[in-house]
Amino acid sequence: KAGVTQTPRYLIKTRGQQVTLSCSPISGHRSVSWYQQTPGQGLQFLFEYFSETQRNKGNFPGRFSGRQFSNSRSEMNVSTLELGDSALYLCASSSTGGLNTEAFFGQGTRLTVV
Amino acid sequence: QQQVKQSPQSLIVQKGGISIINCAYENTAFDYFPWYQQFPGKGPALLIAIRPDVSEKKEGRFTISFNKSAKQFSLHIMDSQPGDSATYFCAASYSGYSTLTFGKGTMLLVSP
Repeated sequence: KAGVTQTPRYLIKTRGQQVTLSCSPISGHRSVSWYQQTPGQGLQFLFEYFSETQRNKGNFPGRFSGRQFSNSRSEMNVSTLELGDSALYLCASSSTGGLNTEAFFGQGTRLTVV
Repeated sequence: QQQVKQSPQSLIVQKGGISIINCAYENTAFDYFPWYQQFPGKGPALLIAIRPDVSEKKEGRFTISFNKSAKQFSLHIMDSQPGDSATYFCAASYSGYSTLTFGKGTMLLVSP
């Protein structure tokens, strides 16, 4: 069974630009969550999508957005990039998000904003 | 507001020793407590998880101890090996939600 796939693995963007990251969950998983990982703040929840609907959202500004497609693949977008957005962005998939809350993470996308 | 507090930040253990990492949570609605292991350049990988209806869960060399009244849980790694050197994160979530609230992580180094 293929794991969670995130593309691209690395990105370098300039302040003010926007970026789109992609996540393909494990086959059959309908829940996709996004996390930001930085040395200072650790792993912070961004948002969760389930069956194309945003089900939960963390405490991040509106520049961070996402969506999920009918095949459960998800994208997240960050607009007007700031230096502080440099981080590892991780995607996690789980089957239903119910009692079985086991989440499987991808390898992440390393975003550097210069 | 940090809902899950993890300690220590870093830990050095000799090969064959016991590594102990502690976490404390504030929200009594949490009812699922996983531990993740992360190697450099990789995403976190689920190691072991526990629900509050049991006080201990063991899988191989890894054991979670859970104290519901104290709102604390800990990871014990028995017979620690150099290959266990990684960053460990505790987390918590509610049933019905995939959202994980993570501790800040513990960088474990097992010396040969």
